[in-house]
Amino acid sequence: NAGVTQTPKFQVLKTGQSMTLQCAQDMNHNSMYWYRQDPGMGLRLIYYSASEGTTDKGEVPNGYNVSRLNKREFSLRLESAAPSQTSVYFCASSELRGGDGYTFGSGTRLTVV
Amino acid sequence: LAKTTQPISMDSYEGQEVNITCSHNNIATNDYITWYQQFPSQGPRFIIQGYKTKVTNEVASLFIPADRKSSTLSLPRVSLSDTAVYYCLVWMDSSYKLIFGSGTRLLVRP
Repeated sequence: NAGVTQTPKFQVLKTGQSMTLQCAQDMNHNSMYWYRQDPGMGLRLIYYSASEGTTDKGEVPNGYNVSRLNKREFSLRLESAAPSQTSVYFCASSELRGGDGYTFGSGTRLTVV
Repeated sequence: LAKTTQPISMDSYEGQEVNITCSHNNIATNDYITWYQQFPSQGPRFIIQGYKTKVTNEVASLFIPADRKSSTLSLPRVSLSDTAVYYCLVWMDSSYKLIFGSGTRLLVRP
């Protein structure tokens, strides 16, 4: 099925460990995004990539890096995980600028102990 | 970016119409109003978007008054499966950023 695929779905890390969250979309969308959602809260934008080859900071970029590997894939890296990064991470993609065209993945639940 | 304010939670019963109002007093001329729905353990899903007056699709209606300082999402005859968090967002035509607030947690009871 077409959509946004995130891996892994669940992950537990120890403080200081690093890991990369993977995201891939098969809708030929130009733009991709990474959000985090803390319990009972709305989503906060971490980084986004308006098009292949570009990335920009969102609301909460500190502690994260991203790579737009190609048009399909956008990865999020935690270099040294901290308990404050415990959250659910959502990847999204869109064809054009516009609030109506976002497709979200099912999320990665990350716990940092 | 325009700030949005919406109720934290609402309760309803099956078969009722639910109206969720969102305030966005400093909305700009080029801003659009968008609503997303999020079920537990899932990513948000687009519901409806509008610029002014009324927009209707198979899921909901969106009412926007002339001054555009607020908008109302209307869900006709809700069912238990409409229990979710509903986000009102304002996005700029020139921006790639879709910024979410805390949303309204809707609980539909039998």
